[in-house]
Amino acid sequence: KQEVTQIPAALSVPEGENLVLNCSFTDSAIYNLQWFRQDPGKGLTSLLLIQSSQREQTSGRLNASLDKSSGRSTLYIAASQPGDSATYLCAVRMDSSYKLIFGSGTRLLVRP
Amino acid sequence: ETGVTQTPRHLVMGMTNKKSLKCEQHLGHNAMYWYKQSAKKPLELMFVYSLEERVENNSVPSRFSPECPNSSHLFLHLHTLQPEDSALYLCASSQALDFSYGYTFGSGTRLTVV
Repeated sequence: KQEVTQIPAALSVPEGENLVLNCSFTDSAIYNLQWFRQDPGKGLTSLLLIQSSQREQTSGRLNASLDKSSGRSTLYIAASQPGDSATYLCAVRMDSSYKLIFGSGTRLLVRP
Repeated sequence: ETGVTQTPRHLVMGMTNKKSLKCEQHLGHNAMYWYKQSAKKPLELMFVYSLEERVENNSVPSRFSPECPNSSHLFLHLHTLQPEDSALYLCASSQALDFSYGYTFGSGTRLTVV
C-alpha cells in the first residue's frame, strides 16, 4: 500500500531564504507526482506535475525534482516571500489507479 | 479561479437535512472527482466519474450520493450525515482518466454537520 510522507510538517523561515520541502513515497511504481499549494480554508492550486520519466520541472521560483527509484521528490522554493506562506501538498498517482495519494502536507510560514 | 467552481463555499446542516454540493467545470475535461479533506488527515478520494459514468466508489457510505448529469457538472447529494462528516469537500477534474494528466481542483465546500 502506497504511503506518502512529507517532512517537515511545518516550517518557518525569514523572507528571502531558499528552502526545500521533502516528499517520500514507499512504492516506486508511480505514474506521476504533483505538487499543490493550499491556502487556509481553500482548495488546491496545482504547482508542478512531474511524469515518472522526468527528473524535474520548473516554474518561476519553484523547482521540483523526482527520484523515482529512491521514492523521493523535493520542492525547491527560491528567494521565499511572505506570499508563499501556505500548505504544500505532494500527491502521487500510481500506475494502476486513477487515485491521487496525498501526503499530509508541509505548512510553510515565510516571515517578513 | 482555477476553472473548477464549487458551490456553496460554506454549508451548515443538521443531521436530518438533505443538501447538495455542486461542482462545475468548463475546461473541457472528461473526468471529475470528489475528494474529502478532514482535519489532520490526508485528502481521500470519494468518487470518480469519466464521461458521466462512475468508475470508482471508494467505499463511501450511502449517505453520500454522487450525480454526474454531464461532463461539466458533478453533484454530491447529502442526507442524514453525521458530525464526523464535517470536512472540506473538494471537486477536481482532469482532461481524461489517462494517467498522464494532472488534476485541477476547485476551492471546496466547507461542510459543518451539527
